[in-house]
Amino acid sequence: AQSVTQPDIHITVSEGASLELRCNYSYGATPYLFWYVQSPGQGLQLLLKYFSGDTLVQGIKGFEAEFKRSQSSFNLRKPSVHWSDAAEYFCAVGAKDSNYQLIWGAGTKLIIKP
Amino acid sequence: DTGVSQNPRHKITKRGQNVTFRCDPISEHNRLYWYRQTLGQGPEFLTYFQNEAQLEKSRLLSDRFSAERPKGSFSTLEIQRTEQGDSAMYLCASSLVRQENTEAFFGQGTRLTVV
Repeated sequence: AQSVTQPDIHITVSEGASLELRCNYSYGATPYLFWYVQSPGQGLQLLLKYFSGDTLVQGIKGFEAEFKRSQSSFNLRKPSVHWSDAAEYFCAVGAKDSNYQLIWGAGTKLIIKP
Repeated sequence: DTGVSQNPRHKITKRGQNVTFRCDPISEHNRLYWYRQTLGQGPEFLTYFQNEAQLEKSRLLSDRFSAERPKGSFSTLEIQRTEQGDSAMYLCASSLVRQENTEAFFGQGTRLTVV
């Protein structure tokens, strides 16, 4: 069955420290991969996406993610976090042969220590 | 374009009442999704439309839920005889489905509280 796993329910990092949020997927087809961010009480905003090509993708707000097919992973990274990055982060996977329906991870809540 | 718009932003209703939410997608987008999200969880798929056609509905979705997208523009989600378990954030998203572009844009959501 298709699934997306975000193994960390929450992560705490100090402001200025580096960040990596994990996302693993189980999908039979070539996936499209997304990271979204959600601030409390708000909708979801797209951070970055991977469809094809370069496996290292750059997104907004200084985020990047790397698609590793061999590990079925699409981890999100940021070299130096800011207090405003505190939010919930969701990984999602879709594919053309599943009619582009997105399957979502449960999310990782990012907490920033001052 | 101002993006995906959802109304109302908040709704408090008594158990047993009917509620209706509206979503205005980005104008040229042909696909529209409804999701439900509870605290600490990812979005849960409810249904989606391709233009005016409702192509899929979650098997977990109660018959009390119905959605429409007349003329392939805005969409409404109605919940009849609301229950406390319906309390959640209801998210709408739209996308322009074409080759190599399936990015979904989300609205701010409608937070429903059933008392």
